Amino acid sequence: GESVGLHLPTLSVQEGDNSIINCAYSNSASDYFIWYKQESGKGPQFIIDIRSNMDKRQGQRVTVLLNKTVKHLSLQIAATQPGDSAVYFCAENILYNQGGKLIFGQGTELSVKP
Amino acid sequence: DVKVTQSSRYLVKRTGEKVFLECVQDMDHENMFWYRQDPGLGLRLIYFSYDVKMKEKGDIPEGYSVSREKKERFSLILESASTNQTSMYLCASSLEETGRGIGTQYFGPGTRLLVL
Repeated sequence: GESVGLHLPTLSVQEGDNSIINCAYSNSASDYFIWYKQESGKGPQFIIDIRSNMDKRQGQRVTVLLNKTVKHLSLQIAATQPGDSAVYFCAENILYNQGGKLIFGQGTELSVKP
Repeated sequence: DVKVTQSSRYLVKRTGEKVFLECVQDMDHENMFWYRQDPGLGLRLIYFSYDVKMKEKGDIPEGYSVSREKKERFSLILESASTNQTSMYLCASSLEETGRGIGTQYFGPGTRLLVL
């Protein structure tokens, strides 16, 4: 079936530490994945994406790793800052009718302690 | 930068009222989406549209309808609001890529609707 899930619903880290947020997906035909950040009272904000022909992609302080063998996705945030506190969602794009749609995970709440 | 705007941040309506939620994007995106977000249930797709005057049902279309008369605007309509439609409503848009509908979705700020 279609499902995208997160291993940990909450994650608490110390400011300056690295954070790792994990996600499992079930649709092996999915070929595009996105991480979103949602701050309280706001809409989800795009962070980084990765296509299935890659296993790693880096952005500014963020890295996404994709392991297609075990259908696992992770988001690494380097030197976590208080402004990184938010809920993080992974999303998987699946083909649907004429195009695609996103299946979202439940989200992980990241809390950064000063 | 992509900008997706929603007509209201907060809305209070009474049961049985007809409710219109408007979404506008300024990036000429083909695809537009409406989600609702509830605690413990995540984001659930209500309706989406690949082009003007086209619409597709998402996972939870019951009690909702949509309208896309212009490319930049996608409206969600609650024909007769009920208390179980109290939720955060999020609009998104994306550019069609490679003809397979793969495109990053950009979200608006959300409308928090309370139905009394």
